[in-house]
Amino acid sequence: DQQVKQNSPSLSVQEGRISILNCDYTNSMFDYFLWYKKYPAEGPTFLISISSIKDKNEDGRFTVFLNKSAKHLSLHIVPSQPGDSAVYFCAASEDNQGGKLIFGQGTELSVKP
Amino acid sequence: GAGVSQSPSNKVTEKGKDVELRCDPISGHTALYWYRQSLGQGLEFLIYFQGNSAPDKSGLPSDRFSAERTGGSVSTLTIQRTQQEDSAVYLCASSLQRGAYNEQFFGPGTRLTVL
Repeated sequence: DQQVKQNSPSLSVQEGRISILNCDYTNSMFDYFLWYKKYPAEGPTFLISISSIKDKNEDGRFTVFLNKSAKHLSLHIVPSQPGDSAVYFCAASEDNQGGKLIFGQGTELSVKP
Repeated sequence: GAGVSQSPSNKVTEKGKDVELRCDPISGHTALYWYRQSLGQGLEFLIYFQGNSAPDKSGLPSDRFSAERTGGSVSTLTIQRTQQEDSAVYLCASSLQRGAYNEQFFGPGTRLTVL
């Protein structure tokens, strides 16, 4: 069973506009959520995270929102830039699992100039 | 400083053969994780090490898969009697300590193709 789901395989956005990437999870024991960015032929790189005790975390152009009641999180990128074009993975973790991450399937973001 | 490195970058093998994939973590990182990404899928957890011990092997798909870590550094993932469904990109990550609050740094992966 897929505990973390990203239902949109791809998203296309115009440069300068907002990109919103969504993620849903089923395991209520998850208490830490992360977004990773991946370019082709490279490993994923950490982008931003949020603890379950918060509902928002912001870092520059990137903001992650967490809605625990809906078991939903989203990543907002404002303004979007062509260099943001990549695959974005949502991941989740439980506190006592040693850092084991459960990933979604990824969303490929394309930012058009 | 050097990041996580993996070798080989690409491996093509015939069904039934054994393969070894290597991961060199960032120096000083005590935790090491293996994931794999099959075509069109997300990353799937395989196993993690804290030092040379593997507290969680729950993601290894079958007993054909094994991994070890020596000297608290290099790790090797071994797949015996490879099958076509083993074809995937195998990714290694390391972090200063175990726990999700410690950022995991990923290597570029090994693309395994089983013919």
